[in-house]
Amino acid sequence: KAGVTQTPRYLIKTRGQQVTLSCSPISGHRSVSWYQQTPGQGLQFLFEYFSETQRNKGNFPGRFSGRQFSNSRSEMNVSTLELGDSALYLCASSLALAGGDTQYFGPGTRLTVL
Amino acid sequence: QQPVQSPQAVILREGEDAVINCSSSKALYSVHWYRQKHGEAPVFLMILLKGGEQKGHEKISASFNEKKQQSSLYLTASQLSYSGTYFCGTAYSGGGADGLTFGKGTHLIIQP
Repeated sequence: KAGVTQTPRYLIKTRGQQVTLSCSPISGHRSVSWYQQTPGQGLQFLFEYFSETQRNKGNFPGRFSGRQFSNSRSEMNVSTLELGDSALYLCASSLALAGGDTQYFGPGTRLTVL
Repeated sequence: QQPVQSPQAVILREGEDAVINCSSSKALYSVHWYRQKHGEAPVFLMILLKGGEQKGHEKISASFNEKKQQSSLYLTASQLSYSGTYFCGTAYSGGGADGLTFGKGTHLIIQP
């Protein structure tokens, strides 16, 4: 079974731009969660989608948004990029809601904002 | 609320044992353990659910004290490959509907 895939793997953007990251979950998984990882703040929860519905959201500004498609693939969008948005963005998929099931992480997208 | 992990870092010799702790100030529904090596994605180790259900790798053991809102990960006869950062993730509501909140991690270094 193929694992979780994320594209692109690396991105360089400038302040004020917007970016879209993509995540393809493991086949059959209906939940996709997104996380931001930085050296200072660690692994922080952004949001979780299950069956195309956002089920919960972390403490991030509205510039961070996402969606999930009928095939469970998910995208995350960050608008009006700030320097502090530079981070590794990880997505993880699970069969059921993440809090009650095993999550499998993708390799991440490394975003650098200049 | 972010769970608290201890210790923050530990250095062991190959073959020694280690215990990593994760505690929460809120009642827990589940605790998840992951290991991450530098430049790689976190890898699933163990999930412990309220009520006693556990799923994980055979060589990994962990405990979940629901009354104390604590979990511990036990690494026995450590190998060089165990080096990495260990994270615990916690969910609080029934069914785990509130997503996972991760601790800051425990850095484990295994020396030959």
